[in-house]
Parts: sequence; structure tokens; C-alpha cells
Amino acid sequence: LAKTTQPISMDSYEGQEVNITCSHNNIATNDYITWYQQFPSQGPRFIIQGYKTKVTNEVASLFIPADRKSSTLSLPRVSLSDTAVYYCLVGDMYSGGGADGLTFGKGTHLIIQP
Amino acid sequence: GAGVSQSPRYKVAKRGQDVALRCDPISGHVSLFWYQQALGQGPEFLTYFQNEAQLDKSGLPSDRFFAERPEGSVSTLKIQRTQQEDSAVYLCASSLGTGMTGELFFGEGSRLTVL
Repeated sequence: LAKTTQPISMDSYEGQEVNITCSHNNIATNDYITWYQQFPSQGPRFIIQGYKTKVTNEVASLFIPADRKSSTLSLPRVSLSDTAVYYCLVGDMYSGGGADGLTFGKGTHLIIQP
Repeated sequence: GAGVSQSPRYKVAKRGQDVALRCDPISGHVSLFWYQQALGQGPEFLTYFQNEAQLDKSGLPSDRFFAERPEGSVSTLKIQRTQQEDSAVYLCASSLGTGMTGELFFGEGSRLTVL
């Protein structure tokens, strides 16, 4: 059973706000939600992490509802350079959960068009 | 440099050869991770070190894969008797602490092609 579920791909246009939702029905009490971005031929890059409600940094916002069974990464005013694969990770490896919290899954391929 | 450094960036091996991939984490980072990423797939966890201790090797696909971090800094991933299915990008990541909070810093990876 997959720990997280994301859309395989999404399209949008420059200047738009993009929201990518990740489902994680089996999230545990100690689990954090972390998003990474990966460009071709590069390693993933951390975007944002949260536990509940809303987290915002200079590049994105992360919305987490009260039941924490899903989360939404929001990218404001995207540009062509935001075309990448986005991964949602859920877990807390250091509470005996093994490496589940470091499972990337297939990610969402976001394509931004002019 | 200030980031995670991996070498070689590209490696071509004949089936049956042994290979060694090196990772230089960010100085002072306690945690180190190895991932395998096949073409078109997400990174798959291989193993985790906290300083020199290998705390989790549950992702290593077979006993041909071996990782070490003897002094708690540089790490080497060794693959013995390489097979074609070992062809992938091998990513190394490090993090400052030992908890789940905080970010992993990834290197650019070592692309292994087994002929």
C-alpha cells in the first residue's frame, strides 16, 4: 500500500498559482510532511516541511488540514523554471518507523507553459 | 564546495565488475543517506548512516551492495559483480541532525551504466 498518492502530472501556465495535492491517509501522529523538487540530472531539493495547518516560506506554502490526511503544496506565480518533478514525503524515521519517511514515490511532473 | 559532492559523476562498467561510488557530505552533517534512482522513477532509499553507524540498510537490494562510512564523514557505496539492473543514478544526501525535521541536501548523483 503506497504511503502517499500524488497526481502523476500537471500542466499550468506562467504567472498562475499551482496547487499539488498529496494524499496520505495513513499518516501517523509523529509524521511530518516534506516536499522536494527535482530537475533533470540533479538531486532533489528541499522546498518546505510542515506538521499541521499552514507553513509558508519564500518559495511555497504548505496547507495541511486538521485531519492531516492530505496536504497541498502551493506555488505562487509559477515560471517556466518551475517545470520539475515534485515529491511529497511523509514520515518520521527516527521513531522506529524505519525508512518510510524517506520514501519518495513517483512524484508529480509539473509542466509550465508560456 | 559547500554542498554534497559525489564522484564519479558517470561510471560505465561491464557486467560482473565491481564499482565504488564516493560521497562527500556537507561538513558536520551527522546523517547520510544513499538512494537509487532508475530512469523515470523517484529515488529509492538504500541505506542510512548516523555518523559512522549504519542504522538502516533495509533498502539495499542484494548482498552485492555494501556501504560504509568509517570515520563518520565520507561514505562509499560499493556494488560487487554489477548487473544490468544496477544501472541507475545513485544519490547521496546528508542532513545536519538526526531527526525527521529539517532538510536533506542531495548531491548531483553518480550515473552508473552497466553494459
